[in-house]
Amino acid sequence: SQQGEEDPQALSIQEGENATMNCSYKTSINNLQWYRQNSGRGLVHLILIRSNEREKHSGRLRVTLDTSKKSSSLLITASRAADTASYFCATVRPLIQGAQKLVFGQGTRLTINP
Amino acid sequence: DTEVTQTPKHLVMGMTNKKSLKCEQHMGHRAMYWYKQKAKKPPELMFVYSYEKLSINESVPSRFSPECPNSSLLNLHLHALQPEDSALYLCASSQQAGIHYYEQYFGPGTRLTVT
Repeated sequence: SQQGEEDPQALSIQEGENATMNCSYKTSINNLQWYRQNSGRGLVHLILIRSNEREKHSGRLRVTLDTSKKSSSLLITASRAADTASYFCATVRPLIQGAQKLVFGQGTRLTINP
Repeated sequence: DTEVTQTPKHLVMGMTNKKSLKCEQHMGHRAMYWYKQKAKKPPELMFVYSYEKLSINESVPSRFSPECPNSSLLNLHLHALQPEDSALYLCASSQQAGIHYYEQYFGPGTRLTVT
């Protein structure tokens, strides 16, 4: 079953505005990852935040993690049309021999209007 | 080279056909994955290969048969599929995690339509 829940399911904003997406999960984690998916394409890793980190930045992206609330948020600042995509959070479950299972949230579909 | 390639990009097949999806990476990753993604849904894990051995099968029907010929290649053999198997099939790879965890690199996917 999918562990993460994201809200909102869809978000439409004007170019230049900030976009915030939230993710909640159910079990304890080692890390949480965010991915972007352009329509009908593969996923691109955006950022990984470990359970002992509270905030992480990468360019225009800011991710926060609150393990006490089992939640994370992704903030995209100064949005651009090219940011239009679906965004997924994913928690990680370790598997045998070092592989790992990503359990994705339902995703947020972000539309940036010019 | 941080690219995962998948072929074909699109595939239309009948329910009696046999076809194969191919995935390749040259990043030296020893973990490779197949995911299935339906429209407007998140990817769902199907299979995991670790060091060329199948380590996880997420209760996938036997009409899907994975194969890992070597550390760079991953195939998914398809036989007697159903229309509900139509989806985007994604391949991914990652470094072996150990005590650390790494991102997965995804290919662009194969859009499969079963008629």
